[in-house]
Amino acid sequence: QVQLQQSGPGLVKPSQTLSLTCAISGDSVSSNSATWNWIRQSPSRGLEWLGRTYYKSEWYNSSAVSVKSRITINPDTSKNQFSLQLHSVTPEDTAVYYCARGGGREGYRNFDYWGQGTLVTVSS
Amino acid sequence: DIQMTQSPSSLSASVGDRVTINCQASQDISDYLNWYQQTPGKAPKLLIYDASNLETGVPSRFSGSGSGTHFTFTISSLQPEDVATYYCQQYHSLPLTFGGGTKVAIK
Repeated sequence: QVQLQQSGPGLVKPSQTLSLTCAISGDSVSSNSATWNWIRQSPSRGLEWLGRTYYKSEWYNSSAVSVKSRITINPDTSKNQFSLQLHSVTPEDTAVYYCARGGGREGYRNFDYWGQGTLVTVSS
Repeated sequence: DIQMTQSPSSLSASVGDRVTINCQASQDISDYLNWYQQTPGKAPKLLIYDASNLETGVPSRFSGSGSGTHFTFTISSLQPEDVATYYCQQYHSLPLTFGGGTKVAIK
């Protein structure tokens, strides 16, 4: 059974960096048949996919254009986890952030396991 | 980006009723569509993948159909535990996008 456990602060100051980690159990961040995603949810934006990292003989990243210049998603194979960094945050980045495993064929088809969610508030 | 439009945004039905939710894609996405259920304070849960396939362990009263740009999600007999918000999501192309959600309540 795959489980994803999120950790990180719930309050970030404007212009600073939001940092979250997602620890994986029951699968490997280096799996060739999964992708590792970050998704956020807010009343104004709904569910918004932010980006993903995955391993297919080498590491790849993809991200949404809306955050492309500010986002970093990194795998950590030594701890079997992956992380999200969102730089230069504003109050618009206030949301519940989820990590999720990409499942289905090669991990591209759906989000079959999710973390518990972390409410991140951007405020001074 | 592919826009996903769900209708209605909310509905209220009686226990035992048949409930239908629509999802329209802004371009042809074949059957690259999933449906999720989200209850308050919880993460979304995958119910239907590839437009019409039931995820393991999901009750058979849930079903999905459609291809191209128009998709339908159905609860054949609404149960009290089905009170939730339901979302469609396309994986035809990046960025992966979700519909705005349909909130289902019991009348």
